[in-house]
Amino acid sequence: DIQMTQSPSTLSASVGDRVTISCRASQSISGSLAWYQQKPGKAPNLLIYKASSLESGVPSRFSGSGSGTEFTLTISSLQPDDFATYYCQQYYTYATFGQGTKLEIK
Amino acid sequence: QVQLVQSGTEVKKPGASVKVSCKSSGYTFSSYGIGWVRQAPGQGLEWMGWISPYNGNTNYAQSFQGRVTMTIDTTTSTADMELRSLTSDDTAVYYCARVRAGGWFDPWGHGTLVTVSS
Repeated sequence: DIQMTQSPSTLSASVGDRVTISCRASQSISGSLAWYQQKPGKAPNLLIYKASSLESGVPSRFSGSGSGTEFTLTISSLQPDDFATYYCQQYYTYATFGQGTKLEIK
Repeated sequence: QVQLVQSGTEVKKPGASVKVSCKSSGYTFSSYGIGWVRQAPGQGLEWMGWISPYNGNTNYAQSFQGRVTMTIDTTTSTADMELRSLTSDDTAVYYCARVRAGGWFDPWGHGTLVTVSS
């Protein structure tokens, strides 16, 4: 099974900050990676697919990069609506999610 | 718009089974798979498996093999997920989601809370 490890588990930041969340795969997954945002009591929402493709309707401050085993989600300028939990997911072999990164207000 | 509507909250006793339904609308049902993901209280997302409406083929996560069955009804655009031999560890919100292209999920259903308690 492919394991996905996100870091950090919790991130404290302020509105306007640039933040980066990392996701590492236990083996190469090429570019088969998606990122989701989840708010409390809600279903996850797709942000990025194919590692760097921005889903339609998602603000351009979100971006994804990486390939192979190392991936990054970047939010260029944090907005109040961005405080949530973020998950990466590989779909190279079946599917596996990272454990999540909770983005908190500093 | 694309929508997945799930069945309602369930309360089950240990050892019982539960079936969660997911009705799709707004797109060609047979063109996309349906995946199932669960989330225990305060925990992360766990992939359970997926099913192809095209041929009914399924792939289940190892941890659910032998205990889960996913089915599809193309006439009603509905996917079902049955989980058997429930324990308290199965208490979670269960989500269905459309599987796009290579295997990412979008959109997701609203989730179904399943509580297992004696």
